[in-house]
Amino acid sequence: DAGITQSPRHKVTETGTPVTLRCHQTENHRYMYWYRQDPGHGLRLIHYSYGVKDTDKGEVSDGYSVSRSKTEDFLLTLESATSSQTSVYFCAISVGLIQETQYFGPGTRLLVL
Amino acid sequence: AQKVTQAQTEISVVEKEDVTLDCVYETRDTTYYLFWYKQPPSGELVFLIRRNSFDEQNEISGRYSWNFQKSTSSFNFTITASQVVDSAVYFCALSEAQVTNSGYALNFGKGTSLLVTP
Repeated sequence: DAGITQSPRHKVTETGTPVTLRCHQTENHRYMYWYRQDPGHGLRLIHYSYGVKDTDKGEVSDGYSVSRSKTEDFLLTLESATSSQTSVYFCAISVGLIQETQYFGPGTRLLVL
Repeated sequence: AQKVTQAQTEISVVEKEDVTLDCVYETRDTTYYLFWYKQPPSGELVFLIRRNSFDEQNEISGRYSWNFQKSTSSFNFTITASQVVDSAVYFCALSEAQVTNSGYALNFGKGTSLLVTP
């Protein structure tokens, strides 16, 4: 257990509405990541953070923004949700001597109607 | 270009059979890490193993074993005497040497769904 929680765990929303997903960690890890998981694609990196207020884009960042105002929280926002953003979203943190190993939160299942 | 290929989409075996899950990766880095994760039907992602590019020793953990071969860019995972509880989706992943601030972001394969029946 890497002390990672995600909220909400499930959400149904309508196209065009803003949605914010929260990732919370309790162990002061520097690196945090957001991935999405879709059938046939595995997991793909959306955004990551390497410190408070330090974030950058991943492979599939279009339509998403992130913020990290505290070490423990990494927020993922869908400014205007679309049906293509229906997915399972996983947050991860890095551990290890050089931060090379990632542990994942339990995931958030998002359905955009 | 896909960096991690898991060619087996689905595998079905009968309990107690041995099963090998294949993983082929592609990288130009000399320093990289390979991982296997398990995703049971409950949905969480469970870390199984990490291997760095300088350590080609095979590893065994109980019924699980991993074969890392740089010559063929493969990192295969074998479950010996499979059990129903091994039914899950298994992901192979690659992270390459840190060149930006991204830490060690993972490139995942598409996963292999393993079904073990009694």
